[in-house]
Amino acid sequence: EDQVTQSPEALRLQEGESSSLNCSYTVSGLRGLFWYRQDPGKGPEFLFTLYSAGEEKEKERLKATLTKKESFLHITAPKPEDSATYLCAVPPLTSGTYKYIFGTGTRLKVLA
Amino acid sequence: DTEVTQTPKHLVMGMTNKKSLKCEQHMGHRAMYWYKQKAKKPPELMFVYSYEKLSINESVPSRFSPECPNSSLLNLHLHALQPEDSALYLCASSQDRGQGVDSPLHFGNGTRLTVT
Repeated sequence: EDQVTQSPEALRLQEGESSSLNCSYTVSGLRGLFWYRQDPGKGPEFLFTLYSAGEEKEKERLKATLTKKESFLHITAPKPEDSATYLCAVPPLTSGTYKYIFGTGTRLKVLA
Repeated sequence: DTEVTQTPKHLVMGMTNKKSLKCEQHMGHRAMYWYKQKAKKPPELMFVYSYEKLSINESVPSRFSPECPNSSLLNLHLHALQPEDSALYLCASSQDRGQGVDSPLHFGNGTRLTVT
């Protein structure tokens, strides 16, 4: 069964304390992995697309990496404004067209 | 600002009301989606339109009725909703599937729906 699992479920960091969020996937043919940031009451904001193992993407304090089984979102020296829920998603090959599978998200809180 | 615009931002309706949610995108995407999201849960797929035709209906109750008037617009008509239908309703769009890879979803900021 195609599945996406995120960990940890919630994470509290002090400002400047770097950490990583994990997105593990079991799909029958990866066609891309996407990271999103979601603020309360708003829609998910697209961050990164990763297509092949070894690929890395960066944006400000965020860096996303991809292996054959998982993706990491590394947050370097986070600030309080980085507090949000981070979601990853994949479009699995077997579930048919357009059915993206989302992880349950990591709720990140960065304390000043 | 997102490139997918949803209106209204908030909606309160009674169980006997009829209302509509609207979504517009100008990115030239040919796939448009409705998702429902409850607190602390990921988005849950409801409907997908591809090239203005309904491609996926995830067994959604008939009190939700989607409509795609053209390639840029998507509506969700609501009638006789239940309190448990209260949620954040998200519209999204994407490019059509490519050869071997898929494109990301681009979401609007949603409509916060409360059914009383």
